[in-house]
Amino acid sequence: ETGVTQSPTHLIKTRGQQVTLRCSSQSGHNTVSWYQQALGQGPQFIFQYYREEENGRGNFPPRFSGLQFPNYSSELNVNALELDDSALYLCASNTLEGKMNTEAFFGQGTRLTVV
Amino acid sequence: RKEVEQDPGPFNVPEGATVAFNCTYSNSASQSFFWYRQDCRKEPKLLMSVYSSGNEDGRFTAQLNRASQYISLLIRDSKLSDSATYLCVVNMRNSGYALNFGKGTSLLVTP
Repeated sequence: ETGVTQSPTHLIKTRGQQVTLRCSSQSGHNTVSWYQQALGQGPQFIFQYYREEENGRGNFPPRFSGLQFPNYSSELNVNALELDDSALYLCASNTLEGKMNTEAFFGQGTRLTVV
Repeated sequence: RKEVEQDPGPFNVPEGATVAFNCTYSNSASQSFFWYRQDCRKEPKLLMSVYSSGNEDGRFTAQLNRASQYISLLIRDSKLSDSATYLCVVNMRNSGYALNFGKGTSLLVTP
């Protein structure tokens, strides 16, 4: 196991609702990244947090937002859910030290279904 | 055009076969390259990093051609347990550890 845990593992929401997904990073890691993986696709980068600040963002609308806490755990919030938001949401943690990146470890993911 | 392109397969091969996966990337500023493995309904796991000099890990060999912007993965003596989706991954320069994933290539190794 990687030491990266996500909750919940599965979730069903209705279109228009809001959802919060959680991630506990591996001990010693200071960076958390979130990815969306639709069925049959590779994971797509949503954003990354480093020491509680957003440190890069992919091509996702502002209704996708996040937080990183002092213990380096993180939340992904999605507002105004759409049917196309149905996907596996993956959290990955690693350590960013200057320009050096350590290997990213992924959590098991949260499978979100929007109906 | 997607930044990382892979043949989605599926590749169906018998045990013991050699199979090769190819991947191309569009951004010449890409800095780091990886192959990840993803089992059905599981999270991706790093299989190996890819270096310009080529690198080998047991039955797995990865190659990178920066001039052609091309990455490959060779699996020799395939095992049933190699059945999975193989994701080609590229890290952009100055993007922290944001990973650009290909769509993945599905491999099924049969008895």
